Amino acid sequence: EPEVTQTPSHQVTQMGQEVILRCVPISNHLYFYWYRQILGQKVEFLVSFYNNEISEKSEIFDDQFSVERPDGSNFTLKIRSTKLEDSAMYFCASSEGAGVRLFFGSGTQLSVL
Amino acid sequence: RKEVEQDPGPFNVPEGATVAFNCTYSNSASQSFFWYRQDCRKEPKLLMSVYSSGNEDGRFTAQLNRASQYISLLIRDSKLSDSATYLCGSMNYGGSQGNLIFGKGTKLSVKP
Repeated sequence: EPEVTQTPSHQVTQMGQEVILRCVPISNHLYFYWYRQILGQKVEFLVSFYNNEISEKSEIFDDQFSVERPDGSNFTLKIRSTKLEDSAMYFCASSEGAGVRLFFGSGTQLSVL
Repeated sequence: RKEVEQDPGPFNVPEGATVAFNCTYSNSASQSFFWYRQDCRKEPKLLMSVYSSGNEDGRFTAQLNRASQYISLLIRDSKLSDSATYLCGSMNYGGSQGNLIFGKGTKLSVKP
């Protein structure tokens, strides 16, 4: 089965630092997503991305967050100035069309100290 | 607020039992529905999509009731390996928009 790959698997950072989480979606997919899961809580939608622009974002996705597709293969999530409460597992996902299944990557565990 | 609601469980069942999970969604515009399985600290993996006519995949049966905005998952002949958290998801999409919203998940523990 095709895979979404995410790097790094673990990221430790100091509060106030910028982090970039990286994802390589499945090659023929057109829709890209970021989700996060705080330990013990639900998987929460952050943002969806299509045709090189954000198509939808949640209230969690504030000005501290940004996404980018810098080339034909990578999809990144940047957190500009990390807070303690940003500590979570971040999942990237992609889908080949609207309304169809999402494939999730194995996640990046972000720890903000 | 558009939400997906699930009973968090945990459901503790013996091997071989039949167990049913329920889910309700509040966004009447939702168009696609899914059950995902999540193992501890792993990514969600698709278990099955849910269609209006209901669908079955081996021991798993999913049903959708649009009038009641209700989705169900039935697992027959539970196996130890079915122990996981089951996430119900609904998606509203149109044009370039779309996101999959999950419930909090229902935890299943199958005991020998």
